Amino acid sequence: AQSVAQPEDQVNVAEGNPLTVKCTYSVSGNPYLFWYVQYPNRGLQFLLKYITGDNLVKGSYGFEAEFNKSQTSFHLKKPSALVSDSALYFCAVSFTGGGNKLTFGTGTQLKVEL
Amino acid sequence: GAGVSQSPSNKVTEKGKDVELRCDPISGHTALYWYRQSLGQGLEFLIYFQGNSAPDKSGLPSDRFSAERTGGSVSTLTIQRTQQEDSAVYLCASSSTTQAQVGQYFGAGTRLSVL
Repeated sequence: AQSVAQPEDQVNVAEGNPLTVKCTYSVSGNPYLFWYVQYPNRGLQFLLKYITGDNLVKGSYGFEAEFNKSQTSFHLKKPSALVSDSALYFCAVSFTGGGNKLTFGTGTQLKVEL
Repeated sequence: GAGVSQSPSNKVTEKGKDVELRCDPISGHTALYWYRQSLGQGLEFLIYFQGNSAPDKSGLPSDRFSAERTGGSVSTLTIQRTQQEDSAVYLCASSSTTQAQVGQYFGAGTRLSVL
């Protein structure tokens, strides 16, 4: 069975500093990895995905993530955080034969402060 | 509409009552998913539909939960004899296929409160 771990419930960072939100996964076969963001009282918004190819993928709002197969990780990064990036971030995984069902991590609350 | 639409946005019910939650997917999307987001449980897969195929119900927590998708479009999630532990945000998503590399588009959710 597939699983996703987001080891940090909350990440605090000062505006302008780089941010990292961690994600590790476990899946049989080739993983397809996703990051979603959730703002208060809103649904999940797609940020980026890794399917195949370059390990560094770029997504919306200046976010990027690096796929590391040996470490089974897919950490979300941004070079310079904004206060408006404060939200709940979810990592998710699916795989071929899984019918596109997503397995989510428990989420990481990102707080960017002035 | 341009996105996934869910209704109602909020639902308060009494323990033991039945509730119906509605999802209107993005036009043309053949796959539809229901997830539940609750405190302490994160986001859980409930059920998904793909075209005329039998739905994957593997995530439904009990036989009080059921879902239908009529005409390959709108879906209704029904919870019978609601319990307090059913209180959660129910999210619907749709995608153009069920290929694992296709992203899903989520609605804003229905917040269910069972008193």
